[in-house]
Amino acid sequence: DVVLTQTPVSLSVTLGDQASISCRSSQSLEYSDGYTYLEWYLQKPGQSPQLLIYEVSNRFSGVPDRFIGSGSGTDFTLKISRVEPEDLGVYYCFQATHDPLTFGSGTKLEIK
Amino acid sequence: EVQLVESGGGLVQPGRSLKLSCAASGFTFSNYYMAWVRQAPKKGLEWVATISTSGSRTYYPDSVKGRFTISRDNAKSSLYLQMNSLKSEDTATYYCARVEDWYFDFWGPGTMVTVSS
Repeated sequence: DVVLTQTPVSLSVTLGDQASISCRSSQSLEYSDGYTYLEWYLQKPGQSPQLLIYEVSNRFSGVPDRFIGSGSGTDFTLKISRVEPEDLGVYYCFQATHDPLTFGSGTKLEIK
Repeated sequence: EVQLVESGGGLVQPGRSLKLSCAASGFTFSNYYMAWVRQAPKKGLEWVATISTSGSRTYYPDSVKGRFTISRDNAKSSLYLQMNSLKSEDTATYYCARVEDWYFDFWGPGTMVTVSS
């Protein structure tokens, strides 16, 4: 199975600062069709996960441009510029390139 | 507006069965693959099952293969998860999710399943 390793495990950020989360895969996530199925989700406290970024760098509908996904192959990053209070929660990376589909273990973002 | 609402969770004894349902609205249900994802208490997310638009193709990880069955009724815009031979490690919140290119773009609020004697 593909293992997605997220770092850091937790992150404490001052409002208005930038946050960066890394997701490293045990295998390349580039699929045979040329696409890379690496997504980012945010689970706010008490809520179900919500899609932020799909296929590495595409923001889902309604997601602010403060959220920026990047990377290729096995190394991916989610950057959140100008962190706001509503950004707190647990961030998960997810891969849909290989069977079984797998999630990273999560990064908890706290506001200082 | 896409809406997914799960139901059917509860307390069940190990070895018994339970069937979850998910009512979908706000989109053409029959045009989308659908999936179940679970989250054990205070733990991360785990993909459980995916089903094709017609229901003819289903996909599972090894952890539930042979015990869980995903199905759908397009006429009722409903998704189901039949869970048999339940184990304590199946205790989790189960989310219904719409699938777009194999990832999940909309999620329901979840239904809690507790497997305990």
